[in-house]
Amino acid sequence: DGGITQSPKYLFRKEGQNVTLSCEQNLNHDAMYWYRQDPGQGLRLIYYSQIVNDFQKGDIAEGYSVSREKKESFPLTVTSAQKNPTAFYLCASTTGAGETQYFGPGTRLLVL
Amino acid sequence: AQSVTQLGSHVSVSEGALVLLRCNYSSSVPPYLFWYVQYPNQGLQLLLKYTSAATLVKGINGFEAEFKKSETSFHLTKPSAHMSDAAEYFCAVSERDTGRRALTFGSGTRLQVQP
Repeated sequence: DGGITQSPKYLFRKEGQNVTLSCEQNLNHDAMYWYRQDPGQGLRLIYYSQIVNDFQKGDIAEGYSVSREKKESFPLTVTSAQKNPTAFYLCASTTGAGETQYFGPGTRLLVL
Repeated sequence: AQSVTQLGSHVSVSEGALVLLRCNYSSSVPPYLFWYVQYPNQGLQLLLKYTSAATLVKGINGFEAEFKKSETSFHLTKPSAHMSDAAEYFCAVSERDTGRRALTFGSGTRLQVQP
């Protein structure tokens, strides 16, 4: 089955720790995205990548980093610089402008 | 910069009643428009999208939406609500005239369906 997988489903971060969220797609999509979801605020764009080895900051990139070494993978690292990381993180991919963005099941990040 | 406004963070309807969820966008060029649904602790699923064809768009699960350029609106409707429609609904836009393709979301509307 084609789709997007995210792991883990739940992730706990200790203060000062970097954590990495995984996102993998087998849809052969060029573009991939990371969004953050907070209650009552909808989804906000963190980073996006339209091609391998290239990525751009979204609207709330501070405290996050990404890489795009393979077409199917777009991991997100939440660094210690992100002071309020508790949120639901969603990865998505698409083929082109106006096309459907397909979403993964999400990772919920909690701070210990 | 484009923006999306969803009027009403919570909407409650009776089973069998009309569902109307409102969405207005702000963009200098009519964007691509989407409605997504999210069930608790899950990802988003596309209900329908408007790209450039018919202004009345039909989607899954009996939902439809009408693009009205003069009102910059893309309201979501369903003639008869079902208990399984209870979820959070997001309106989103993406720009036509850039290559960014990222979505800008409204803040969401939680739909409750009363028996």
